Amino acid sequence: DTGVSQNPRHKITKRGQNVTFRCDPISEHNRLYWYRQTLGQGPEFLTYFQNEAQLEKSRLLSDRFSAERPKGSFSTLEIQRTEQGDSAMYLCASTVGQMSSGNTIYFGEGSWLTVV
Amino acid sequence: GQQVMQIPQYQHVQEGEDFTTYCNSSTTLSNIQWYKQRPGGHPVFLIQLVKSGEVKKQKRLTFQFGEAKKNSSLHITATQTTDVGTYFCAGGSGGGADGLTFGKGTHLIIQP
Repeated sequence: DTGVSQNPRHKITKRGQNVTFRCDPISEHNRLYWYRQTLGQGPEFLTYFQNEAQLEKSRLLSDRFSAERPKGSFSTLEIQRTEQGDSAMYLCASTVGQMSSGNTIYFGEGSWLTVV
Repeated sequence: GQQVMQIPQYQHVQEGEDFTTYCNSSTTLSNIQWYKQRPGGHPVFLIQLVKSGEVKKQKRLTFQFGEAKKNSSLHITATQTTDVGTYFCAGGSGGGADGLTFGKGTHLIIQP
């Protein structure tokens, strides 16, 4: 149990449908990150929040993707009009302070998305 | 954009043999991190290196950061079956950006 909770763990959806994933970070962690990982690849950075502010977004985050962290606690990642290429594991991670400052980063177990 | 390359992609070793994975970045990194991911699991943070030429050890694992801060390595001495998994390096570019660029990982397979 890493302390970072993600749900749902698995989601199968039809192409064109919207999906939403939720991440509950470790309670005292102010930084929250979303990554995407496909089979055989390393995680790819999507976006991150410091408290409720979204500070950085990857070019991978198309207009169909939106992430929020309204109260600086849990976060949601919504994908609209899903495409088969969106099939992946969506990972959430949290830490105190910056990833570059040496603090341990904790990943959740991920949410697997399959678009059929 | 920044690219992080990792070799080898797969490594088969006999239990008890040593293992090394190498990571190279196309740009100078502010820091590098290493993760382990078991099959079906999620990445687990192992360590972060920040200083040029830095070497850190965790029991049988030795991590190095190159002098130019563009390459890194992870060496495992006397592998055990519990070492099975994929080892990822992830580079930070600094400059206000806080997202990591992960390599594709090295899959370590251990034969008893």
